Order: sequence, then C-alpha cells, then structure tokens
Amino acid sequence: DAGVIQSPRHEVTEMGQEVTLRCKPISGHDYLFWYRQTMMRGLELLIYFNNNVPIDDSGMPEDRFSAKMPNASFSTLKIQPSEPRDSAVYFCASSLYMGESPLHFGNGTRLTVT
Amino acid sequence: SQQGEEDPQALSIQEGENATMNCSYKTSINNLQWYRQNSGRGLVHLILIRSNEREKHSGRLRVTLDTSKKSSSLLITASRAADTASYFCATMNSGYSTLTFGKGTMLLVSP
Repeated sequence: DAGVIQSPRHEVTEMGQEVTLRCKPISGHDYLFWYRQTMMRGLELLIYFNNNVPIDDSGMPEDRFSAKMPNASFSTLKIQPSEPRDSAVYFCASSLYMGESPLHFGNGTRLTVT
Repeated sequence: SQQGEEDPQALSIQEGENATMNCSYKTSINNLQWYRQNSGRGLVHLILIRSNEREKHSGRLRVTLDTSKKSSSLLITASRAADTASYFCATMNSGYSTLTFGKGTMLLVSP
C-alpha cells in the first residue's frame, strides 16, 4: 500500500479564500483522523471518523472548518473563509481500529494564509 | 489540550551516544505510544506500551512506563545521525476514545 496520501503538499492562499485539503487513507483502515500541527500548540486533533461517520469533532476550531468523508477512500478538510492564524501543517492519519492500532500519517499539507 | 509533555524540548548528542527522552502525562491511560517525525514528513509509529507493562524493547529502542508517576521514557541506544528527528509521546485514554500527543523532543545526532 502507498500509505496515507495527502494533497496538496503545499498551499498558499490569501485571507478569505476557501481551502480544501484532501486525504486518501490506507485501504481497510476504519478510522481517519485530521490533525493540525503548529509550533505553539503542537499536534492537535481536529476530528476523527469511524467507518466514514464523524465521531468527535470537538477539536474543530470554529464553524469555518468542516470535514467530510463521503466514502472509505476519501476525506476532505475545508476552511472557509481562511485566516492567517489557520497557517499550519495539517495531517491526515488512518488506523485499523481505535486503541492499540498505530496511526499511519500522511506527509501533511503545509498551509500558508497571507 | 496536551496530555503528554516531553522533556527535554531539545537534545543534542554525538553518534554512538545514548539518547533518553521523557514523557509525563496527567490522566489515566490505556497505553502510551512513541512516534518519530523527520523534518517535513508525517509521524511514524515506533512502539506501544500498555498500561500493565513496565518495559518494552524494539531494536535499539527501550521504553519504560511508570503509571504511579505517570511518566514514560524512550531510550535510543548507540544513536546514529539518521536518528535525528522529533520524538513524540502519545497517550490513549482509558476509554479508548482519544490519542493525545505531546509537543515532542527534537533530537540532533551529530556525526
């Protein structure tokens, strides 16, 4: 398997624009996670899905953020409108199950909002 | 909120030396995991230790867990330049509902 695939790798956009980040999890993994990484706050869980259903979105910063998982092989994280403080590296990860199954991370999307 | 807190924040050693990183956490856990992150890449799982285990080995890695002190340590023996990376501990809560990461220790191994 190619691992978790994220696109794009880099995104530079202007404040107020819509940003869509994409993720393809490892086939057969039932759980999908979106994390955000910044120097100040470290790695924060934004939302996670089980079998395409959102389970916990308490980490989503505000209504400008939304995530979907229309099928087992694809998920999106959308920010609309984007703000400079959203600049961060966004990671998608997947795992077989919750608990003792390790998370497999993609290489992230580095988002810069100017 | 951060559950695990790594110490030190940064560590610089020479090749061949051992590197020890520590992690402290606040609430009851089911297991604790260590991950490595190379610059510009995603995190990679290294090792998992359950709450009823005290020590675990994997190659040059040795992990200990002290639930009474709510702390764990990761020892990398005979370090190599390729071990240069950030290392994160992550705790799985007792309800198996969240995996929370610390802010990491940045390890630099010089040739």
